[in-house]
Amino acid sequence: KAGVTQTPRYLIKTRGQQVTLSCSPISGHRSVSWYQQTPGQGLQFLFEYFSETQRNKGNFPGRFSGRQFSNSRSEMNVSTLELGDSALYLCASSADRRNTEAFFGQGTRLTVV
Amino acid sequence: AQSVTQLDSQVPVFEEAPVELRCNYSSSVSVYLFWYVQYPNQGLQLLLKYLSGSTLVKGINGFEAEFNKSQTSFHLRKPSVHISDTAEYFCAVSHTGGFKTIFGAGTRLFVKA
Repeated sequence: KAGVTQTPRYLIKTRGQQVTLSCSPISGHRSVSWYQQTPGQGLQFLFEYFSETQRNKGNFPGRFSGRQFSNSRSEMNVSTLELGDSALYLCASSADRRNTEAFFGQGTRLTVV
Repeated sequence: AQSVTQLDSQVPVFEEAPVELRCNYSSSVSVYLFWYVQYPNQGLQLLLKYLSGSTLVKGINGFEAEFNKSQTSFHLRKPSVHISDTAEYFCAVSHTGGFKTIFGAGTRLFVKA
């Protein structure tokens, strides 16, 4: 069974641009969560989707948004990029509604210059 | 709201020595508890989880953890570490009715020869 796939693995963007990151969960998993990981803040929860519905959202500005498609693939978008958005963005998928076991992708390393 | 405190940011230890990585959590409701490991430039891998039942949980790679409800702790232990255990370890908590997992700041385990 293929694992969680995140694309692209690395990305360099300029301040003010926008970016879209993609996450394909493990086949059959309907829950997808997104996290931002930085050296200073650690792992911060962004949002979680289950069957195309956002069930929970972290404390991030509205520039951060996401969505989930009917095939459970998810995208997150960051608009008007700031230098502080440079981070490793991790996606995790889970098979059950209560996220009792999350499987993580390798992440997308975003660098904003 | 839940929170997680990992009491040590770095733990250096010699190969074949025992190790304990400490984790305390705060929650007013029932929780699920997890330990994840992250190797450089990788996503997170689940080591073990406590959902219910026996408070001693065994995981992969010889790790185990004990859930202590009265002390709100979930410390990770390994009786004999290897060089390959060098990585960052994250303790995490989610509440049993919720959809958000909160991570601790991480503990960097460094195993010396």
